[in-house]
Amino acid sequence: EDKVVQSPLSLVVHEGDTVTLNCSYEVTNFRSLLWYKQEKKAPTFLFMLTSSGIEKKSGRLSSILDKKELSSILNITATQTGDSAIYLCAVGTNYGGSQGNLIFGKGTKLSVKP
Amino acid sequence: DSGVTQTPKHLITATGQRVTLRCSPRSGDLSVYWYQQSLDQGLQFLIQYYNGEERAKGNILERFSAQQFPDLHSELNLSSLELGDSALYFCASSVDLGGYGGYTFGSGTRLTVV
Repeated sequence: EDKVVQSPLSLVVHEGDTVTLNCSYEVTNFRSLLWYKQEKKAPTFLFMLTSSGIEKKSGRLSSILDKKELSSILNITATQTGDSAIYLCAVGTNYGGSQGNLIFGKGTKLSVKP
Repeated sequence: DSGVTQTPKHLITATGQRVTLRCSPRSGDLSVYWYQQSLDQGLQFLIQYYNGEERAKGNILERFSAQQFPDLHSELNLSSLELGDSALYFCASSVDLGGYGGYTFGSGTRLTVV
């Protein structure tokens, strides 16, 4: 069965810290890797990665994919309390089936203390 | 506002009852996905419809059913409800069949079974 594993499952940091969230995957037919941020309700899209080694950046957030290591990291620099959320990693596959086309990890719950 | 509309936002019902959750996808999106999110399980894929047809099925209970109508809105029917069905139910949509570029999520329906 295809799987996506995120680590750590939870993390508590102080404002200003830099954090690195990890996502590793084992899937049959990789198409894309996506990061989402989930605050109170709906997950919102952050990044989509398809090519290895190319960093995507948005403000203080950045992400990179390593297809050789079957993994991705999401970095957040100079964290703020507003970054507190669950960060979800999802991998797009051609398979679909009982897991659907996007397979989600369980998420990393980030808490940023003032 | 993501463009994906889910109603109702909250639902409290008794065991044994039946409820219907409704989703209107983002304008132009043909695929609708239903997910269940509980505290320990993360996002669990239930079912996908594309342009009115069922395209992928997750580990959806037999007590649950869904459909997508000609106007592309979708309904998820949950019957013979049990306490364990209490969860956040998300609808998401994408323009294409694969959704590899990511899904747009609605704000969810929080179902509480008492």
